[in-house]
Amino acid sequence: TQLLEQSPQFLSIQEGENLTVYCNSSSVFSSLQWYRQEPGEGPVLLVTVVTGGEVKKLKRLTFQFGDARKDSSLHITAAQPGDTGLYLCAGAPRGGTASKLTFGTGTRLQVTL
Amino acid sequence: DTAVSQTPKYLVTQMGNDKSIKCEQNLGHDTMYWYKQDSKKFLKIMFSYNNKELIINETVPNRFSPKSPDKAHLNLHINSLELGDSAVYFCASSRVGGASSYEQYFGPGTRLTVT
Repeated sequence: TQLLEQSPQFLSIQEGENLTVYCNSSSVFSSLQWYRQEPGEGPVLLVTVVTGGEVKKLKRLTFQFGDARKDSSLHITAAQPGDTGLYLCAGAPRGGTASKLTFGTGTRLQVTL
Repeated sequence: DTAVSQTPKYLVTQMGNDKSIKCEQNLGHDTMYWYKQDSKKFLKIMFSYNNKELIINETVPNRFSPKSPDKAHLNLHINSLELGDSAVYFCASSRVGGASSYEQYFGPGTRLTVT
């Protein structure tokens, strides 16, 4: 069974600080996605990374896929209260059903003023 | 325009009852899913349908029965509800083929509480 461990589980920071969330596995994934989920809503896709070593930027968010395609990180620069939410990574298995994602354990981020 | 919608948003019922949750997507996607999110926010896939055909069926009690009348709809019927079924159930959809088949669009969720 593939497992995606996220760290930290919880993160409470002040506005303007930087942070990094990690998503690690012993399995290789064909691609990896990051989602953000706000209370009472469904997860919303932020980014998909496909190539080992790939880096994608989305405004203040920087996503990196590990060279071996087993891990990923999400870095937020100058966090804002609007970044508050549950961040989930999700991996698509190599050689498996592309649509069958394995979700990570989640990182709950709170950004305060 | 709501891309993936679910009804009801909240469902409170007693043990032993039978209930259904409905899902509709207007994105033109071929694949739809049901996920269960537990109290620790862990999201786990239950079922997936591609163009009305069941393609993923995880280890889920057979009290849970998905039904897809057409590729825009995927419903979930649960028989003999148990306390452990309490969770938030999410419907999702995605395209088929290419990198975008990995990208899933989720509904707002149905919070099921079994008392």
